[in-house]
Amino acid sequence: GDSVTQMEGPVTLSEEAFLTINCTYTATGYPSLFWYVQYPGEGLQLLLKATKADDKGSNKGFEATYRKETTSFHLEKGSVQVSDSAVYFCALSLLVTDSWGKLQFGAGTQVVVTP
Amino acid sequence: KAGVTQTPRYLIKTRGQQVTLSCSPISGHRSVSWYQQTPGQGLQFLFEYFSETQRNKGNFPGRFSGRQFSNSRSEMNVSTLELGDSALYLCASSLNGGGNYGYTFGSGTRLTVV
Repeated sequence: GDSVTQMEGPVTLSEEAFLTINCTYTATGYPSLFWYVQYPGEGLQLLLKATKADDKGSNKGFEATYRKETTSFHLEKGSVQVSDSAVYFCALSLLVTDSWGKLQFGAGTQVVVTP
Repeated sequence: KAGVTQTPRYLIKTRGQQVTLSCSPISGHRSVSWYQQTPGQGLQFLFEYFSETQRNKGNFPGRFSGRQFSNSRSEMNVSTLELGDSALYLCASSLNGGGNYGYTFGSGTRLTVV
């Protein structure tokens, strides 16, 4: 079945460090890919998305490129801030007949940024 | 514009009781999905409603049910609560399934079953 695998956390970084969170997927078709972020006590916020191969999603300094050949969608940020401390979820959604199916999430990666 | 509103934010129920959670989507959004989040199982899809019809369903027992009203507001019901139903329940809305634009999530309802 369709699945998303992301690196385990917690990932602990110093402020201004480079962040990479690996995400790979298995899907029977051509999914749309997403990164969501969850801050403590809150719901999920869409961080960025990509809907086809080679698309690059970007937002708030975060970037991820849809790599069909490696079935990957790794999240990167060049210089993290303490406020980036959160749990990050990689997810996919597949078009089924004429409607989009559920979001399939990875397990989440906790990121802790220290001053 | 207003986001996705879930009520209540927190709920404590006793085993065996039933509970109803509410979700008001973003105005104009016709698709509402529900997810359960637990530390052990992560984020799991419950069901999706579109124009008052259940369009997709996850792998949960029949104790979990939902419905959608003509104004796109949705409710989720869990009957005969079990301790394992304690979780954060998240509602997400989108125009027509989130594949192209993503889903917008609410802040969730934290359900504790004692």
